[in-house]
Amino acid sequence: QSALTQPASVSGSPGQSITISCTGTSSDAGGSNYVSWYQQHPGKAPKLMIYDVSYRPSGVSSRFSGSKSGYTASLTISGLQAEDEADYYCSSYTSGRFVVFGGGTKLTVL
Amino acid sequence: QVQLQESGPGLVKPSETLSLTCSVSGGSMSSNSWSWIRQPPGKGLEWIGYIYNSGNTNYNPSLESRVTILVDTSKNQFSLKLNFVTAADTAVYYCARLRLGGTVQFDSWGRGTLVTVSS
Repeated sequence: QSALTQPASVSGSPGQSITISCTGTSSDAGGSNYVSWYQQHPGKAPKLMIYDVSYRPSGVSSRFSGSKSGYTASLTISGLQAEDEADYYCSSYTSGRFVVFGGGTKLTVL
Repeated sequence: QVQLQESGPGLVKPSETLSLTCSVSGGSMSSNSWSWIRQPPGKGLEWIGYIYNSGNTNYNPSLESRVTILVDTSKNQFSLKLNFVTAADTAVYYCARLRLGGTVQFDSWGRGTLVTVSS
């Protein structure tokens, strides 16, 4: 199984919105409603931000939203804040009941 | 809120077996699935495998021949064994709760433990 494809980096200024894409195949993100997103600050464990494509866990800011179109899932962060600077990973549950992660995207808040 | 804590040797010799334990507190193990994920230094996340509350397992095909995940609900622990390790297995190893059944989400993570493979 191959990793999901994410851009290596994205950047934005405070207050702006950014979107991180996550592209897969029909066996994973493209054919699954089970795409999740994780935020990881340096030296810390990942934190669940979005699950099942577009659901936000309790306690996660409403500035974070998820969506999916075709084989590509997306994470959008609106009203960028300095604390959003981190690595972001998408993940999908596959048709074979495996889990696959994306390569990760480094978000820089300018 | 469930909490997870990894434990085990931080240094393993090449060709030997990496063994880690994840201790779970604050919640029941019996109605959840449990997973191991690793992250080589400076690289991305790699799923290793998970174990259902039934004891059935699913492993990453690239690691399946070397991996064993077991659960001991009486001790509120689950474990990872990775055989015949090489330097490529050097990573931070995370344990996580995997919610399944109408949803798929790693909703609780341990802090991670660095395991270095070196002689």
